[in-house]
Amino acid sequence: KNEVEQSPQNLTAQEGEFITINCSYSVGISALHWLQQHPGGGIVSLFMLSSGKKKHGRLIATINIQEKHSSLHITASHPRDSAVYICAVDGSGNTGKLIFGQGTTLQVKP
Amino acid sequence: GAVVSQHPSWVICKSGTSVKIECRSLDFQATTMFWYRQFPKQSLMLMATSNEGSKATYEQGVEKDKFLINHASLTLSTLTVTSAHPEDSSFYICSAVRGHNSPLHFGNGTRLTVT
Repeated sequence: KNEVEQSPQNLTAQEGEFITINCSYSVGISALHWLQQHPGGGIVSLFMLSSGKKKHGRLIATINIQEKHSSLHITASHPRDSAVYICAVDGSGNTGKLIFGQGTTLQVKP
Repeated sequence: GAVVSQHPSWVICKSGTSVKIECRSLDFQATTMFWYRQFPKQSLMLMATSNEGSKATYEQGVEKDKFLINHASLTLSTLTVTSAHPEDSSFYICSAVRGHNSPLHFGNGTRLTVT
Protein backbone atom coordinates (compact mmCIF):
# COMPACT_ATOMS: atom_id res chain seq x y z
CA LYS A 1 0.00 0.00 0.00
CA ASN A 2 1.35 3.42 -0.95
CA GLU A 3 2.06 5.90 1.81
CA VAL A 4 0.07 8.54 -0.07
CA GLU A 5 -3.15 7.55 -1.80
CA GLN A 6 -5.24 9.80 -4.00
CA SER A 7 -8.76 9.37 -5.27
CA PRO A 8 -10.08 9.37 -7.82
CA GLN A 9 -7.28 8.48 -10.24
CA ASN A 10 -9.18 9.97 -13.14
CA LEU A 11 -11.94 12.54 -13.14
CA THR A 12 -13.98 14.05 -15.92
CA ALA A 13 -16.20 17.03 -15.21
CA GLN A 14 -18.30 19.53 -17.08
CA GLU A 15 -17.31 23.16 -17.02
CA GLY A 16 -18.73 24.87 -13.96
CA GLU A 17 -18.87 21.79 -11.77
CA PHE A 18 -17.48 21.65 -8.23
CA ILE A 19 -14.58 19.21 -8.04
CA THR A 20 -13.06 17.39 -5.09
CA ILE A 21 -9.85 15.38 -5.08
CA ASN A 22 -8.96 13.41 -1.98
CA CYS A 23 -5.64 12.45 -0.46
CA SER A 24 -4.98 10.06 2.41
CA TYR A 25 -1.60 9.38 3.92
CA SER A 26 -0.25 6.91 6.43
CA VAL A 27 2.89 8.61 7.72
CA GLY A 28 3.48 11.42 10.15
CA ILE A 29 3.91 14.68 8.31
CA SER A 30 5.00 18.24 8.88
CA ALA A 31 3.29 19.57 5.76
CA LEU A 32 1.20 18.51 2.80
CA HIS A 33 1.54 19.91 -0.70
CA TRP A 34 -0.88 20.07 -3.58
CA LEU A 35 0.78 20.34 -6.97
CA GLN A 36 -0.55 20.83 -10.47
CA GLN A 37 1.23 19.24 -13.43
CA HIS A 38 0.37 20.55 -16.87
CA PRO A 39 0.34 18.36 -19.99
CA GLY A 40 3.80 19.62 -20.95
CA GLY A 41 5.18 18.37 -17.66
CA GLY A 42 5.72 21.60 -15.77
CA ILE A 43 4.69 21.55 -12.11
CA VAL A 44 3.20 24.38 -10.11
CA SER A 45 2.92 24.36 -6.35
CA LEU A 46 -0.68 25.18 -5.42
CA PHE A 47 -0.70 24.84 -1.66
CA MET A 48 1.52 23.94 1.25
CA LEU A 49 -0.45 23.36 4.42
CA SER A 50 -0.04 21.82 7.82
CA SER A 51 -3.46 22.50 9.33
CA GLY A 52 -6.89 23.87 8.56
CA LYS A 53 -7.77 25.35 5.24
CA LYS A 54 -6.27 27.57 2.55
CA LYS A 55 -7.94 29.32 -0.36
CA HIS A 56 -6.49 30.78 -3.51
CA GLY A 57 -8.93 31.99 -6.11
CA ARG A 58 -11.19 29.07 -7.05
CA LEU A 59 -9.02 26.55 -5.28
CA ILE A 60 -9.46 25.43 -1.68
CA ALA A 61 -7.32 22.95 0.21
CA THR A 62 -8.18 21.43 3.55
CA ILE A 63 -6.35 19.07 5.83
CA ASN A 64 -7.38 16.99 8.82
CA ILE A 65 -4.24 15.95 10.65
CA GLN A 66 -6.03 13.55 13.00
CA GLU A 67 -7.65 11.69 10.13
CA LYS A 68 -4.55 12.00 7.89
CA HIS A 69 -6.65 13.28 5.06
CA SER A 70 -6.64 16.28 2.75
CA SER A 71 -8.95 17.49 0.02
CA LEU A 72 -8.47 19.83 -2.90
CA HIS A 73 -11.59 21.56 -4.14
CA ILE A 74 -12.04 23.46 -7.38
CA THR A 75 -15.09 25.68 -7.62
CA ALA A 76 -16.61 26.70 -10.97
CA SER A 77 -14.24 24.43 -12.87
CA HIS A 78 -12.94 25.50 -16.25
CA PRO A 79 -11.27 23.59 -19.11
CA ARG A 80 -7.98 25.29 -18.25
CA ASP A 81 -8.08 23.45 -14.91
CA SER A 82 -7.46 20.22 -16.84
CA ALA A 83 -4.21 18.83 -15.47
CA VAL A 84 -2.78 16.21 -13.15
CA TYR A 85 -3.14 17.11 -9.49
CA ILE A 86 -0.60 15.60 -7.15
CA CYS A 87 -0.74 15.32 -3.40
CA ALA A 88 2.63 15.08 -1.68
CA VAL A 89 3.59 14.91 1.99
CA ASP A 90 6.68 16.09 3.78
CA GLY A 91 7.61 13.78 6.63
CA SER A 92 11.10 15.17 6.96
CA GLY A 93 10.46 18.25 9.07
CA ASN A 94 9.67 20.63 6.22
CA THR A 95 12.94 20.13 4.42
CA GLY A 96 11.06 19.71 1.15
CA LYS A 97 11.73 15.98 0.76
CA LEU A 98 8.33 14.77 -0.42
CA ILE A 99 6.49 11.49 -0.81
CA PHE A 100 4.15 11.72 -3.79
CA GLY A 101 0.71 10.36 -4.46
CA GLN A 102 0.05 8.82 -7.84
CA GLY A 103 -1.82 11.86 -9.09
CA THR A 104 -5.37 12.56 -10.23
CA THR A 105 -5.92 13.31 -13.90
CA LEU A 106 -8.66 15.89 -14.28
CA GLN A 107 -10.36 16.73 -17.54
CA VAL A 108 -12.87 19.54 -17.58
CA LYS A 109 -15.04 19.59 -20.69
CA PRO A 110 -16.57 22.79 -22.05
CA GLY B 1 7.07 34.64 -7.71
CA ALA B 2 10.13 32.42 -7.37
CA VAL B 3 11.35 30.98 -10.65
CA VAL B 4 13.32 27.82 -11.29
CA SER B 5 14.79 27.38 -14.75
CA GLN B 6 15.67 23.93 -16.03
CA HIS B 7 17.70 23.37 -19.17
CA PRO B 8 17.46 21.76 -21.62
CA SER B 9 13.75 21.11 -21.88
CA TRP B 10 14.35 18.11 -24.08
CA VAL B 11 17.38 16.20 -25.28
CA ILE B 12 18.03 13.21 -27.51
CA CYS B 13 21.32 11.42 -27.13
CA LYS B 14 22.98 8.20 -28.22
CA SER B 15 23.62 5.26 -25.91
CA GLY B 16 26.88 5.58 -24.06
CA THR B 17 27.03 9.36 -24.06
CA SER B 18 26.54 11.63 -21.06
CA VAL B 19 23.93 14.31 -20.68
CA LYS B 20 23.99 17.26 -18.28
CA ILE B 21 20.81 18.91 -17.03
CA GLU B 22 20.91 22.26 -15.25
CA CYS B 23 18.57 23.56 -12.60
CA ARG B 24 18.82 27.23 -11.66
CA SER B 25 16.92 29.28 -9.12
CA LEU B 26 16.70 32.63 -10.87
CA ASP B 27 15.57 34.98 -8.14
CA PHE B 28 16.31 33.29 -4.85
CA GLN B 29 19.02 31.32 -3.14
CA ALA B 30 18.11 27.67 -2.85
CA THR B 31 19.47 25.93 0.20
CA THR B 32 18.30 22.63 -1.16
CA MET B 33 17.45 21.28 -4.59
CA PHE B 34 15.78 17.99 -5.39
CA TRP B 35 15.96 15.83 -8.49
CA TYR B 36 13.12 13.57 -9.59
CA ARG B 37 12.35 11.30 -12.49
CA GLN B 38 8.94 10.49 -13.84
CA PHE B 39 7.99 7.64 -16.13
CA PRO B 40 4.91 7.94 -18.36
CA LYS B 41 1.62 7.81 -16.46
CA GLN B 42 3.46 7.58 -13.14
CA SER B 43 4.11 10.04 -10.37
CA LEU B 44 7.39 11.63 -9.47
CA MET B 45 10.11 9.59 -7.80
CA LEU B 46 12.71 11.41 -5.76
CA MET B 47 16.21 10.57 -6.95
CA ALA B 48 18.39 12.71 -4.73
CA THR B 49 18.60 15.69 -2.43
CA SER B 50 21.25 18.25 -3.21
CA ASN B 51 22.62 20.78 -0.73
CA GLU B 52 25.02 23.50 -1.80
CA GLY B 53 28.61 22.67 -1.08
CA SER B 54 28.04 19.11 0.05
CA LYS B 55 27.56 15.71 -1.52
CA ALA B 56 24.10 14.81 -2.69
CA THR B 57 22.04 12.29 -0.77
CA TYR B 58 20.68 9.62 -3.07
CA GLU B 59 17.52 7.61 -2.60
CA GLN B 60 17.69 3.86 -2.34
CA GLY B 61 18.14 2.25 -5.73
CA VAL B 62 19.57 5.34 -7.44
CA GLU B 63 23.13 4.82 -8.63
CA LYS B 64 25.21 7.77 -7.59
CA ASP B 65 27.94 6.99 -10.12
CA LYS B 66 25.41 7.02 -12.92
CA PHE B 67 23.50 10.10 -11.88
CA LEU B 68 26.11 12.65 -10.88
CA ILE B 69 24.79 15.63 -9.00
CA ASN B 70 26.75 18.79 -8.42
CA HIS B 71 25.45 21.72 -6.41
CA ALA B 72 28.19 24.27 -6.89
CA SER B 73 26.31 27.35 -5.78
CA LEU B 74 23.10 28.42 -4.06
CA THR B 75 21.48 28.96 -7.44
CA LEU B 76 22.69 26.04 -9.54
CA SER B 77 22.50 22.28 -9.37
CA THR B 78 23.36 19.94 -12.22
CA LEU B 79 22.41 16.34 -12.91
CA THR B 80 24.62 14.40 -15.29
CA VAL B 81 23.35 11.10 -16.64
CA THR B 82 26.52 9.20 -17.45
CA SER B 83 26.82 6.46 -20.06
CA ALA B 84 23.16 6.81 -20.87
CA HIS B 85 21.11 3.78 -21.87
CA PRO B 86 17.65 3.64 -23.44
CA GLU B 87 16.17 2.68 -20.06
CA ASP B 88 17.34 6.06 -18.74
CA SER B 89 14.85 7.71 -21.08
CA SER B 90 12.49 9.57 -18.80
CA PHE B 91 11.27 12.96 -17.67
CA TYR B 92 13.65 14.54 -15.18
CA ILE B 93 12.54 17.47 -13.05
CA CYS B 94 14.12 19.52 -10.32
CA SER B 95 12.77 21.59 -7.49
CA ALA B 96 14.30 24.14 -5.15
CA VAL B 97 13.50 25.50 -1.71
CA ARG B 98 14.77 28.63 0.04
CA GLY B 99 14.88 26.90 3.40
CA HIS B 100 12.78 25.09 5.96
CA ASN B 101 9.03 25.62 5.85
CA SER B 102 9.23 27.05 2.35
CA PRO B 103 7.15 25.96 -0.62
CA LEU B 104 8.84 24.06 -3.42
CA HIS B 105 9.47 25.67 -6.79
CA PHE B 106 9.76 23.32 -9.73
CA GLY B 107 11.61 23.52 -12.98
CA ASN B 108 9.72 22.71 -16.19
CA GLY B 109 11.47 19.38 -16.57
CA THR B 110 13.75 17.77 -19.14
CA ARG B 111 12.57 15.00 -21.41
CA LEU B 112 15.51 12.71 -22.10
CA THR B 113 15.41 10.20 -24.94
CA VAL B 114 18.33 7.82 -25.33
CA THR B 115 18.56 6.08 -28.68
